[in-house]
Amino acid sequence: DQQVKQNSPSLSVQEGRISILNCDYTNSMFDYFLWYKKYPAEGPTFLISISSIKDKNEDGRFTVFLNKSAKHLSLHIVPSQPGDSAVYFCAASSVQGGKLIFGQGTELSVKP
Amino acid sequence: DTGVSQNPRHKITKRGQNVTFRCDPISEHNRLYWYRQTLGQGPEFLTYFQNEAQLEKSRLLSDRFSAERPKGSFSTLEIQRTEQGDSAMYLCASSLAWDSPYNEQFFGPGTRLTVL
Repeated sequence: DQQVKQNSPSLSVQEGRISILNCDYTNSMFDYFLWYKKYPAEGPTFLISISSIKDKNEDGRFTVFLNKSAKHLSLHIVPSQPGDSAVYFCAASSVQGGKLIFGQGTELSVKP
Repeated sequence: DTGVSQNPRHKITKRGQNVTFRCDPISEHNRLYWYRQTLGQGPEFLTYFQNEAQLEKSRLLSDRFSAERPKGSFSTLEIQRTEQGDSAMYLCASSLAWDSPYNEQFFGPGTRLTVL
């Protein structure tokens, strides 16, 4: 069963506009949620995370929102830049320091 | 170099052969994780270590797969009698348990395995 789902395989956004990437999960035991960015031929790079006791975390252009009642999180990138074009994965963990469960990824394309 | 390194970066083998991959984590990271990623999917957990102890192993990991971290530093992942379905990117990650409340794991570049 897919415990973490990213239902949009791709997203195209104009440079300077907002990018919103969505992620849904089914396991209510998840306590930590993370976003990773991946370029081709490289490993995933950590972007931003949030714990279940918060509903928002912000780091520069990146903001993650968590809606526990809906089991939904989203990543907002404002303003979007061409260098943001990559595959974005959301991941979740129920144990601090434990395994991560990843979604399928969303490929973001930011056009100049 | 302070990142996670993996060797080899690419491996092509024939069905039935054994292969071994190596991962060197970030210095002082006591947790080390192995994941597998196939095309169009996110990384899938295989196993992880705290120091030299293997703490969890995925049910998806068949008996043909074995991982070790003998001295709590580098780790090896061996696949015996490879099958075409083993073709994937094998990713290693490391973290310092309790260092962060968010459980960030730092990934290496991966080893791409192709089984012919």
